Amino acid sequence: NAGVTQTPKFRVLKTGQSMTLLCAQDMNHEYMYWYRQDPGMGLRLIHYSVGEGTTAKGEVPDGYNVSRLKKQNFLLGLESAAPSQTSVYFCASRYTVPGELFFGEGSRLTVL
Amino acid sequence: TQLLEQSPQFLSIQEGENLTVYCNSSSVFSSLQWYRQEPGEGPVLLVTVVTGGEVKKLKRLTFQFGDARKDSSLHITAAQPGDTGLYLCAGNLYNQGGKLIFGQGTELSVKP
Repeated sequence: NAGVTQTPKFRVLKTGQSMTLLCAQDMNHEYMYWYRQDPGMGLRLIHYSVGEGTTAKGEVPDGYNVSRLKKQNFLLGLESAAPSQTSVYFCASRYTVPGELFFGEGSRLTVL
Repeated sequence: TQLLEQSPQFLSIQEGENLTVYCNSSSVFSSLQWYRQEPGEGPVLLVTVVTGGEVKKLKRLTFQFGDARKDSSLHITAAQPGDTGLYLCAGNLYNQGGKLIFGQGTELSVKP
C-alpha cells in the first residue's frame, strides 16, 4: 500500500536555487494539499487542489508554485529558495470533505 | 496570526492525570478534525466532528465541537505514557471548499 509518496525525503539547497517536490497518491483522491511544519507553528497550508487541473492559495503561498496536471500528482516548486523556506514539507490527500487526510512521510528541506 | 488558536502549546503531566486541549477561532467551520502526530511521521486522524454541540468519545478521549462551530476541545481522562505526542486540530472553513487549516499544535508529554 503506497498511499501518499513524497520525493525527495531530504534535500539541501543553496539560496537562490530552485527545486520541485513531488507528491503522488494512488487512492484516486480529489483533494491534495501541501503544508509546511515549523517548530511551534503546527502545519501551515501552502497551496491546495480540489481536483485535477485546479490549484488554490493557502495561508503561506508566497515563494511557492504548484501544479496538478494529473489527478494523482501534486508538485510543489520553489523558484528561488530562501533560508526562510527551511522546513519540513508534508503532502496530504483526501477523497472528500470532510474526509480523513492521509499524509506522506514528509520532506526535510534545508536552504543554506 | 493563526486562524485556529490551540492551547496550551506544551503540556507535561503525570500518568493518571486528566487534561483538556482547546482549539479556538473567530471563524465558523463546517467541520473540525483532531489529528495526532508522532516524531518523524505525518499526522493521523483521531476524529471528525461536523455538528455544532457534537460530542464524540474514543476510549479515554472525548471531543467536543462548540455550538457555534468556532471552537473545539479534546479531553483525555487518566492519561498514559502512550498518549504522548503532538495533537493538532484542523478546521474546514465554512464555504471555502476543501481548504483545511491547522492549529499550532499541543505537545503532550505524559510521564510514568
